[in-house]
Amino acid sequence: SSELTQDPAVSVALGQTVRITCQGDSLRSYYASWYQKKPGQAPVLVLYGNNDRPSGIPDRFSGSSSGNTVSLIITGAQAEDEADYHCSSRDSSGYAVVFGGGTKLTVL
Amino acid sequence: QVQLVQSGPEVKKPGASVKVSCKASGDTFTTYGFSWVRQAPGQGLEWMGWISPYNGNTNYAQKFQGRVTMTTDTSTSTVYMELRSLTSDDTAVYCCAGLTPRTMISHSYNIWGQGTMVTVSS
Repeated sequence: SSELTQDPAVSVALGQTVRITCQGDSLRSYYASWYQKKPGQAPVLVLYGNNDRPSGIPDRFSGSSSGNTVSLIITGAQAEDEADYHCSSRDSSGYAVVFGGGTKLTVL
Repeated sequence: QVQLVQSGPEVKKPGASVKVSCKASGDTFTTYGFSWVRQAPGQGLEWMGWISPYNGNTNYAQKFQGRVTMTTDTSTSTVYMELRSLTSDDTAVYCCAGLTPRTMISHSYNIWGQGTMVTVSS
Protein backbone atom coordinates (compact mmCIF):
# COMPACT_ATOMS: atom_id res chain seq x y z
CA SER A 1 0.00 0.00 0.00
CA SER A 2 1.17 3.55 -0.71
CA GLU A 3 -1.12 5.15 1.83
CA LEU A 4 -0.35 6.76 5.16
CA THR A 5 -3.05 6.67 7.82
CA GLN A 6 -3.46 9.22 10.61
CA ASP A 7 -6.12 9.72 13.26
CA PRO A 8 -8.30 12.67 12.22
CA ALA A 9 -8.16 14.44 15.57
CA VAL A 10 -6.30 14.35 18.87
CA SER A 11 -6.52 16.58 21.92
CA VAL A 12 -4.09 17.30 24.73
CA ALA A 13 -4.20 19.35 27.90
CA LEU A 14 -1.88 22.31 28.02
CA GLY A 15 1.56 21.21 29.21
CA GLN A 16 0.90 17.52 28.76
CA THR A 17 2.43 15.08 26.29
CA VAL A 18 0.70 13.96 23.11
CA ARG A 19 1.56 11.34 20.52
CA ILE A 20 0.37 11.66 16.92
CA THR A 21 0.73 8.50 14.88
CA CYS A 22 1.14 7.71 11.20
CA GLN A 23 0.86 4.21 9.79
CA GLY A 24 1.83 2.81 6.41
CA ASP A 25 3.82 0.06 4.74
CA SER A 26 6.27 2.50 3.15
CA LEU A 27 7.38 3.56 6.63
CA ARG A 28 9.18 0.24 6.99
CA SER A 29 11.57 1.36 4.25
CA TYR A 30 11.63 5.16 4.17
CA TYR A 31 11.99 8.02 6.61
CA ALA A 32 8.92 9.95 7.64
CA SER A 33 8.59 13.72 7.73
CA TRP A 34 6.20 15.69 9.87
CA TYR A 35 4.68 19.04 8.96
CA GLN A 36 2.74 21.51 11.06
CA LYS A 37 0.01 23.31 9.14
CA LYS A 38 -1.98 26.26 10.46
CA PRO A 39 -4.88 27.86 8.56
CA GLY A 40 -3.75 30.32 5.94
CA GLN A 41 -0.09 29.47 6.43
CA ALA A 42 2.38 27.30 4.56
CA PRO A 43 3.33 23.98 6.14
CA VAL A 44 6.35 23.96 8.42
CA LEU A 45 8.68 20.98 8.65
CA VAL A 46 9.00 20.01 12.32
CA LEU A 47 10.69 16.60 12.15
CA TYR A 48 12.51 14.62 9.49
CA GLY A 49 15.00 11.85 8.84
CA ASN A 50 16.31 10.08 11.87
CA ASN A 51 14.41 12.21 14.39
CA ASP A 52 16.02 15.45 13.22
CA ARG A 53 14.56 18.89 13.87
CA PRO A 54 15.09 21.83 11.54
CA SER A 55 16.62 24.94 12.99
CA GLY A 56 14.12 26.85 15.10
CA ILE A 57 11.87 23.91 15.97
CA PRO A 58 11.57 23.51 19.76
CA ASP A 59 13.00 20.37 21.31
CA ARG A 60 9.58 19.46 22.70
CA PHE A 61 9.00 17.94 19.25
CA SER A 62 10.47 14.46 18.89
CA GLY A 63 9.71 11.24 17.09
CA SER A 64 9.70 7.49 17.39
CA SER A 65 9.34 4.60 14.98
CA SER A 66 8.26 0.97 15.21
CA GLY A 67 7.56 -1.25 12.25
CA ASN A 68 5.09 0.46 9.97
CA THR A 69 4.18 3.18 12.48
CA VAL A 70 5.90 6.46 13.23
CA SER A 71 4.93 8.92 15.91
CA LEU A 72 5.35 12.62 16.48
CA ILE A 73 5.61 13.32 20.18
CA ILE A 74 5.04 16.76 21.68
CA THR A 75 6.28 16.88 25.25
CA GLY A 76 4.70 19.74 27.16
CA ALA A 77 2.25 20.91 24.50
CA GLN A 78 1.79 24.66 24.16
CA ALA A 79 -1.18 26.63 22.90
CA GLU A 80 0.76 27.56 19.76
CA ASP A 81 1.12 23.87 18.90
CA GLU A 82 -2.58 23.70 18.01
CA ALA A 83 -2.53 22.91 14.30
CA ASP A 84 -2.94 20.16 11.75
CA TYR A 85 -0.04 17.73 11.58
CA HIS A 86 0.72 15.83 8.40
CA CYS A 87 3.13 12.95 7.97
CA SER A 88 4.76 12.06 4.66
CA SER A 89 7.24 9.62 3.21
CA ARG A 90 8.26 8.19 -0.11
CA ASP A 91 5.71 5.69 -1.30
CA SER A 92 6.44 1.98 -1.61
CA SER A 93 7.92 2.44 -5.09
CA GLY A 94 10.37 5.01 -3.75
CA TYR A 95 9.68 7.38 -6.63
CA ALA A 96 6.70 9.30 -5.33
CA VAL A 97 5.72 10.95 -2.06
CA VAL A 98 2.59 10.33 -0.06
CA PHE A 99 1.00 12.36 2.72
CA GLY A 100 -1.20 11.18 5.51
CA GLY A 101 -4.64 12.71 5.81
CA GLY A 102 -3.55 14.93 8.68
CA THR A 103 -4.33 15.04 12.39
CA LYS A 104 -6.00 18.06 13.93
CA LEU A 105 -4.39 18.73 17.31
CA THR A 106 -6.42 20.64 19.86
CA VAL A 107 -4.67 21.99 22.96
CA LEU A 108 -7.17 22.27 25.79
CA GLN B 1 18.34 30.00 3.30
CA VAL B 2 16.39 30.11 0.08
CA GLN B 3 12.96 31.75 0.16
CA LEU B 4 10.18 30.90 -2.26
CA VAL B 5 7.71 33.48 -3.59
CA GLN B 6 4.78 32.30 -5.66
CA SER B 7 2.56 34.02 -8.19
CA GLY B 8 -0.85 35.39 -7.27
CA PRO B 9 -4.31 33.81 -7.11
CA GLU B 10 -5.95 32.51 -10.26
CA VAL B 11 -9.55 31.99 -11.31
CA LYS B 12 -10.08 29.63 -14.21
CA LYS B 13 -13.00 28.09 -16.04
CA PRO B 14 -13.39 24.32 -16.34
CA GLY B 15 -11.27 22.93 -19.15
CA ALA B 16 -8.71 25.72 -18.94
CA SER B 17 -5.07 25.53 -17.87
CA VAL B 18 -3.22 27.32 -15.10
CA LYS B 19 0.49 28.00 -14.73
CA VAL B 20 1.82 28.87 -11.28
CA SER B 21 5.32 30.19 -10.70
CA CYS B 22 7.64 29.91 -7.72
CA LYS B 23 10.70 32.16 -7.62
CA ALA B 24 13.61 31.23 -5.37
CA SER B 25 15.96 33.74 -3.81
CA GLY B 26 19.60 32.92 -3.26
CA ASP B 27 22.24 31.40 -5.49
CA THR B 28 21.93 27.69 -4.70
CA PHE B 29 18.89 27.05 -6.88
CA THR B 30 20.34 24.15 -8.82
CA THR B 31 21.33 22.26 -5.66
CA TYR B 32 17.72 22.05 -4.54
CA GLY B 33 14.80 19.86 -5.58
CA PHE B 34 11.28 21.21 -5.83
CA SER B 35 7.86 19.70 -5.57
CA TRP B 36 4.33 20.98 -5.87
CA VAL B 37 1.87 20.10 -3.14
CA ARG B 38 -1.77 21.10 -3.13
CA GLN B 39 -4.49 21.27 -0.51
CA ALA B 40 -8.13 21.39 -1.51
CA PRO B 41 -10.60 22.98 0.92
CA GLY B 42 -11.08 20.73 3.93
CA GLN B 43 -8.69 18.12 2.55
CA GLY B 44 -5.17 16.96 3.30
CA LEU B 45 -1.94 17.67 1.51
CA GLU B 46 -1.48 16.06 -1.90
CA TRP B 47 1.86 15.59 -3.64
CA MET B 48 1.80 16.36 -7.34
CA GLY B 49 5.36 15.77 -8.46
CA TRP B 50 9.00 16.78 -8.31
CA ILE B 51 11.56 18.51 -10.50
CA SER B 52 15.32 18.92 -10.31
CA PRO B 53 16.59 22.30 -11.54
CA TYR B 54 20.03 20.73 -11.97
CA ASN B 55 19.04 18.54 -14.91
CA GLY B 56 15.33 19.15 -15.44
CA ASN B 57 14.38 15.62 -14.42
CA THR B 58 10.77 15.29 -13.33
CA ASN B 59 8.65 12.71 -11.56
CA TYR B 60 4.89 13.18 -11.48
CA ALA B 61 2.31 11.55 -9.27
CA GLN B 62 0.38 8.96 -11.23
CA LYS B 63 -2.85 10.86 -10.62
CA PHE B 64 -1.56 13.87 -12.57
CA GLN B 65 0.39 12.12 -15.31
CA GLY B 66 -0.47 13.65 -18.68
CA ARG B 67 -2.11 16.68 -17.13
CA VAL B 68 0.74 18.40 -15.28
CA THR B 69 4.06 19.80 -16.45
CA MET B 70 6.77 21.13 -14.16
CA THR B 71 9.59 23.21 -15.55
CA THR B 72 12.40 25.42 -14.33
CA ASP B 73 14.15 28.53 -15.57
CA THR B 74 17.61 28.59 -14.02
CA SER B 75 18.29 32.09 -15.35
CA THR B 76 15.57 33.46 -13.05
CA SER B 77 15.62 30.71 -10.39
CA THR B 78 11.97 30.01 -11.03
CA VAL B 79 9.99 26.80 -10.96
CA TYR B 80 6.70 26.48 -12.83
CA MET B 81 3.76 24.14 -12.56
CA GLU B 82 1.18 23.95 -15.33
CA LEU B 83 -2.04 21.98 -14.81
CA ARG B 84 -4.35 21.41 -17.76
CA SER B 85 -7.98 20.36 -18.26
CA LEU B 86 -9.03 21.91 -14.97
CA THR B 87 -12.17 20.80 -13.15
CA SER B 88 -13.77 22.05 -9.95
CA ASP B 89 -11.88 19.28 -8.14
CA ASP B 90 -8.67 21.18 -8.88
CA THR B 91 -9.76 24.11 -6.73
CA ALA B 92 -7.02 24.21 -4.12
CA VAL B 93 -4.06 26.07 -2.69
CA TYR B 94 -0.95 25.08 -4.63
CA CYS B 95 2.41 25.29 -2.85
CA CYS B 96 5.89 24.86 -4.13
CA ALA B 97 8.13 23.09 -1.65
CA GLY B 98 11.90 22.79 -1.65
CA LEU B 99 14.31 20.04 -0.71
CA THR B 100 17.68 21.25 0.41
CA PRO B 101 20.75 19.02 0.24
CA ARG B 102 20.36 18.30 3.95
CA THR B 103 16.81 16.99 3.59
CA MET B 104 17.02 15.20 0.25
CA ILE B 105 17.77 11.80 1.73
CA SER B 106 14.56 11.82 3.73
CA HIS B 107 12.74 13.78 1.01
CA SER B 108 11.60 16.40 3.50
CA TYR B 109 10.48 19.85 2.42
CA ASN B 110 12.04 22.46 4.65
CA ILE B 111 11.24 25.50 2.53
CA TRP B 112 7.79 26.41 1.25
CA GLY B 113 6.21 29.06 -0.90
CA GLN B 114 3.31 31.04 0.49
CA GLY B 115 0.76 29.17 -1.60
CA THR B 116 -1.34 30.16 -4.61
CA MET B 117 -5.11 29.81 -4.56
CA VAL B 118 -6.47 28.40 -7.79
CA THR B 119 -10.24 28.51 -8.15
CA VAL B 120 -11.94 26.62 -10.94
CA SER B 121 -15.48 27.81 -11.53
CA SER B 122 -17.80 28.35 -14.43
